[in-house]
Amino acid sequence: AQSVAQPEDQVNVAEGNPLTVKCTYSVSGNPYLFWYVQYPNRGLQFLLKYITGDNLVKGSYGFEAEFNKSQTSFHLKKPSALVSDSALYFCAVRDGGPGNTPLVFGKGTRLSVIA
Amino acid sequence: ETGVTQTPRHLVMGMTNKKSLKCEQHLGHNAMYWYKQSAKKPLELMFVYNFKEQTENNSVPSRFSPECPNSSHLFLHLHTLQPEDSALYLCASSQDLQETPYEQYFGPGTRLTVT
Repeated sequence: AQSVAQPEDQVNVAEGNPLTVKCTYSVSGNPYLFWYVQYPNRGLQFLLKYITGDNLVKGSYGFEAEFNKSQTSFHLKKPSALVSDSALYFCAVRDGGPGNTPLVFGKGTRLSVIA
Repeated sequence: ETGVTQTPRHLVMGMTNKKSLKCEQHLGHNAMYWYKQSAKKPLELMFVYNFKEQTENNSVPSRFSPECPNSSHLFLHLHTLQPEDSALYLCASSQDLQETPYEQYFGPGTRLTVT
């Protein structure tokens, strides 16, 4: 069975500081990993994904994520946080093993960037 | 968000009512999804359609009935709901379902309150 964990319900960071939102996963095959962001009263928006290749994936709005197979992690990062980055962030995983398994989402991490 | 639209945006219904949620995607995608988002819980996948055929029913109670008349439209028919069904219902679409997953595009959601 596949699963994803976001260990922090809330992350607070000062504007201009680097931010990290953590995600760990568990799959039986190779993982397909995604990050989505949700602003208030909006649906989820795709930020980036890892399918294969380079472990560092660059996405929208200056975000990037690093795939670490040994630590089964896919943490979301940004070098310099903006107040407008404040939102709910979701990590999601799909098992790349046989079959067409659905995407599994984490519970979400609320990021608050303080001016 | 003109890519995936959902109506209504807000719905209040009694437990004996019958109502329907509508989703329309303007992206030329072939897969569509219904999710339930409750506070502090992971996003719950409810149904998946690929080329108008239902491919996933995630043990959803029969009081929720999906309908996919074509690849651009998805409905969720509701009847005799319970208060615990109150949540944000999100529709999403993706190019289709393949071994290597495409990212999903989400609508803004329908905020449902069951009284």
